[in-house]
Amino acid sequence: ILNVEQSPQSLHVQEGDSTNFTCSFPSSNFYALHWYRWETAKSPEALFVMTLNGDEKKKGRISATLNTKEGYSYLYIKGSQPEDSATYLCAFDGSGNTGKLIFGQGTTLQVKP
Amino acid sequence: EPEVTQTPSHQVTQMGQEVILRCVPISNHLYFYWYRQILGQKVEFLVSFYNNEISEKSEIFDDQFSVERPDGSNFTLKIRSTKLEDSAMYFCASRIQGWGNQPQHFGDGTRLSIL
Repeated sequence: ILNVEQSPQSLHVQEGDSTNFTCSFPSSNFYALHWYRWETAKSPEALFVMTLNGDEKKKGRISATLNTKEGYSYLYIKGSQPEDSATYLCAFDGSGNTGKLIFGQGTTLQVKP
Repeated sequence: EPEVTQTPSHQVTQMGQEVILRCVPISNHLYFYWYRQILGQKVEFLVSFYNNEISEKSEIFDDQFSVERPDGSNFTLKIRSTKLEDSAMYFCASRIQGWGNQPQHFGDGTRLSIL
């Protein structure tokens, strides 16, 4: 059974703090690793899709790295703001052409002003 | 920006009844998905759909589930005889192509409550 794990489960930080969380996934049959940002009562919003070992992607203050050989990805948020408060989901695509995603349980970030 | 829309936002149904959840994917997308999240659990894959047929389905997607793209714009999930354990948030997603570096775009979800 393929398993995707995220840590920590939740995180409380002060505005301005930088933070990071981890996604671990199977290191075999890798096609892509997705990161989503999910606010309550909204749809998950795609942040990154990472496909190559060593990939680093950046979107504003948020960046992500990928290590497919050891099966982990880090998501970093620099200078957290209250509007960054959300659940961050990673999802592993090991299926190739069907695009089936296996999700982690998410990391819920709360940024206090 | 184009988005995936789902209706209804909340559906309450008696156990044993049939329910149809509706989705309108982004218009030029070719691959369609249903996922669900039972309260407190991970988001889990149900089915992927391409070229008018199922391309992959999970163990959850048994004979009581079916999907259809009846008119080229809607994508529906039917649960034939609902059970209490079908209560969950159901998400539809679409993608422009099935592999590579394209994200899946999700709708806001339908909360299904089985009584």
